[in-house]
Amino acid sequence: DSGVTQTPKHLITATGQRVTLRCSPRSGDLSVYWYQQSLDQGLQFLIQYYNGEERAKGNILERFSAQQFPDLHSELNLSSLELGDSALYFCASSVETGGPYEQYFGPGTRLTVT
Amino acid sequence: AQSVTQLGSHVSVSEGALVLLRCNYSSSVPPYLFWYVQYPNQGLQLLLKYTTGATLVKGINGFEAEFKKSETSFHLTKPSAHMSDAAEYFCAVTNQAGTALIFGKGTTLSVSS
Repeated sequence: DSGVTQTPKHLITATGQRVTLRCSPRSGDLSVYWYQQSLDQGLQFLIQYYNGEERAKGNILERFSAQQFPDLHSELNLSSLELGDSALYFCASSVETGGPYEQYFGPGTRLTVT
Repeated sequence: AQSVTQLGSHVSVSEGALVLLRCNYSSSVPPYLFWYVQYPNQGLQLLLKYTTGATLVKGINGFEAEFKKSETSFHLTKPSAHMSDAAEYFCAVTNQAGTALIFGKGTTLSVSS
């Protein structure tokens, strides 16, 4: 158990809909990262937050957005969903931001868009 | 730009045999390198990491990796495979800003008895 929690575990929704994925980082971790894992694209970095502020963006679509709240939990919002958005979405956290700090991954949310 | 190449999408070994999973990286700055393991239907678990200093890094579950700058490699090894090692393994390097991990495509390790 990494200490990172994600809800829900599974999500099935229809095209065009909007969903929210939730992540609680390990106690004491200030940095939260979101990754998408799909068969064709592999593991891709989406976005990072540090202590409530956006720090870095990766291959995140404009239909996707995220935020980190004062209690440090984070939410990833996916809207106007398409079939291709079906994937495993991971949240990770680290104590600080920057290269050498280990990222601890949650169990993921599996999103299926039908 | 930073990138990672994992040679071999699938590696099969017998129980007790040497495990060697290959990873080559490209980085414009001194790299921070990681190996993660993913068991079916689970998240990623850190096996080991290289930041600076000793180039031979020991991790959990008997795994180790050696950073070779001249070869831009960070191969993962284990002297004797166990059935429980069957999983997918990912090599990763931090991006230039150090704000995210860039992963390889992964290598699936199968262990037969």
